[in-house]
Amino acid sequence: GESVGLHLPTLSVQEGDNSIINCAYSNSASDYFIWYKQESGKGPQFIIDIRSNMDKRQGQRVTVLLNKTVKHLSLQIAATQPGDSAVYFCAAPNQFYFGTGTSLTVIP
Amino acid sequence: DGGITQSPKYLFRKEGQNVTLSCEQNLNHDAMYWYRQDPGQGLRLIYYSQIVNDFQKGDIAEGYSVSREKKESFPLTVTSAQKNPTAFYLCASSIGPSGWYNEQFFGPGTRLTVL
Repeated sequence: GESVGLHLPTLSVQEGDNSIINCAYSNSASDYFIWYKQESGKGPQFIIDIRSNMDKRQGQRVTVLLNKTVKHLSLQIAATQPGDSAVYFCAAPNQFYFGTGTSLTVIP
Repeated sequence: DGGITQSPKYLFRKEGQNVTLSCEQNLNHDAMYWYRQDPGQGLRLIYYSQIVNDFQKGDIAEGYSVSREKKESFPLTVTSAQKNPTAFYLCASSIGPSGWYNEQFFGPGTRLTVL
């Protein structure tokens, strides 16, 4: 499943499928990005980060892609699990920019 | 066990009262931040501090005040001048100042409700 951020703030996927969450940013000076996961009523947790001199970075089951030309980030979660259900948002912390987030629901 | 703590988890305030939200970190981080989170919106910066005894206003500082007397502590006071204080408040810290490649670590948050 795939979201388009502000235009589709919710994403539902079947357990085991891959998820893609998108984020657009506007400030071309942004040089460092973080994806956070936030469960209901809790503080955000770091998932993965990427600097602007990279276009891809991989972690455990997660990959972040950065396209500076169109100012777009995506977070890919492989083999999505029920524990992945949360709100995910991107951030450009050096500019104090935080996206509104996408709510991911994993259907068992 | 290192981290950021915020207290209380839930806070209720009557209109006209000032309240102070606590934020403590034992990560030895220089920078600390306060954000406000409202439904459907991204985090908005209230205040931040890069170093002890210094702090800067963020985008929505009106009606709030802070102090940074100790490296570990960055309390936020929500004053009666804040017209719409009901929100989820998040404190964060980073090892160095913003403008570097520093991850911001977040606390668990305080939900403030004005009655």
